Amino acid sequence: NAGVTQTPKFRVLKTGQSMTLLCAQDMNHEYMYWYRQDPGMGLRLIHYSVGEGTTAKGEVPDGYNVSRLKKQNFLLGLESAAPSQTSVYFCASSLSGTSGRAKYEQYFGPGTRLTVT
Amino acid sequence: SQQGEEDPQALSIQEGENATMNCSYKTSINNLQWYRQNSGRGLVHLILIRSNEREKHSGRLRVTLDTSKKSSSLLITASRAADTASYFCATSPGNTGKLIFGQGTTLQVKP
Repeated sequence: NAGVTQTPKFRVLKTGQSMTLLCAQDMNHEYMYWYRQDPGMGLRLIHYSVGEGTTAKGEVPDGYNVSRLKKQNFLLGLESAAPSQTSVYFCASSLSGTSGRAKYEQYFGPGTRLTVT
Repeated sequence: SQQGEEDPQALSIQEGENATMNCSYKTSINNLQWYRQNSGRGLVHLILIRSNEREKHSGRLRVTLDTSKKSSSLLITASRAADTASYFCATSPGNTGKLIFGQGTTLQVKP
């Protein structure tokens, strides 16, 4: 199993450009999450999904959109990038409680380092 | 706003010593988790303690939870240079699977 993978690993954007970050997991997890991590801070939840076709806002959703068309993929879009979106983005996934297993443990991808100039 | 606050922000110890990190949170929780992040990497789950548990062990890790004080501690015994990383507590306030992370403690273990 590859676990959680993220594409790309690094990206530099100019202000106003758009891009999509791809997250893929091969663990058949129902839940998926997008976080951002800024220097000296923990992770902050951007958006999350509890299943295919469903998404919800997290703590810092402004400026981002997401889609979960397939269970294994969770896309994070920036429509018009701003310097404040310079950050490291992490995707994570977890099993749902109905499985009876490690409900809350999250598995993280390696991150995407995004710089907006 | 972030739920957890961790103390200390940075900790430097010698190999073989014990490392203790503390986490405080604000609202009621379903469970509390600890994660490790090596430099430039994603987070790795270490241990989960449920709200009705007071202490949990996993190898060299010992986690305590005091829900009356809304605090938790992570003890790493007999530390190794490979334990050098940032450690984050994360709380699960409800039944949604969402986590709220603290700001983290950066641990340096000197060989």
